[in-house]
Amino acid sequence: GAGVSQSPRYKVAKRGQDVALRCDPISGHVSLFWYQQALGQGPEFLTYFQNEAQLDKSGLPSDRFFAERPEGSVSTLKIQRTQQEDSAVYLCASTATGLQETQYFGPGTRLLVL
Amino acid sequence: TQLLEQSPQFLSIQEGENLTVYCNSSSVFSSLQWYRQEPGEGPVLLVTVVTGGEVKKLKRLTFQFGDARKDSSLHITAAQPGDTGLYLCAGEGTDSWGKFQFGAGTQVVVTP
Repeated sequence: GAGVSQSPRYKVAKRGQDVALRCDPISGHVSLFWYQQALGQGPEFLTYFQNEAQLDKSGLPSDRFFAERPEGSVSTLKIQRTQQEDSAVYLCASTATGLQETQYFGPGTRLLVL
Repeated sequence: TQLLEQSPQFLSIQEGENLTVYCNSSSVFSSLQWYRQEPGEGPVLLVTVVTGGEVKKLKRLTFQFGDARKDSSLHITAAQPGDTGLYLCAGEGTDSWGKFQFGAGTQVVVTP
């Protein structure tokens, strides 16, 4: 496909479980962003990659959140020991080169922690 | 914490009416973007404004960036049901590098 894809689209986890969310950016896109969007809110920045380098992780809410992009394409956001407050939509976006470019968003993964 | 305040939170109008949504902040932004998000989808960029006082038009949508680059508005003329969605503004701080802060959005519903 031509757009950003994310999987799974929906995830239900029991509190304390670990989850892994996948993002496939547009082919060839250098930069990748992760956002968290709580119900009724706008997206909040989590972390940013340029190729495989994680240049900014200031938005990750706790050390239970971990993101990687080992080969500079697909990225995974991992949440360990999920809590109810982690319930949100997790959005991934990519840009062609670097900063101040149009961000193309994926459809998101809706995570519900029970 | 949302540095950008959007108003109103919710707007319901009939097809053919005009509407304006606002995005305000006490911070100055290098640039400001407007997105539309539909249920189950990610936001889609509508426009980026960079210069204070700038006005951009996209068909029936008019975007304005405040002179002081702290606020923006989106005006839709003769709204259509296809304009229904969550409208988000996002500001790029003057000391950031392309990192955008989003507002909470305005949910617009246009009924036939």
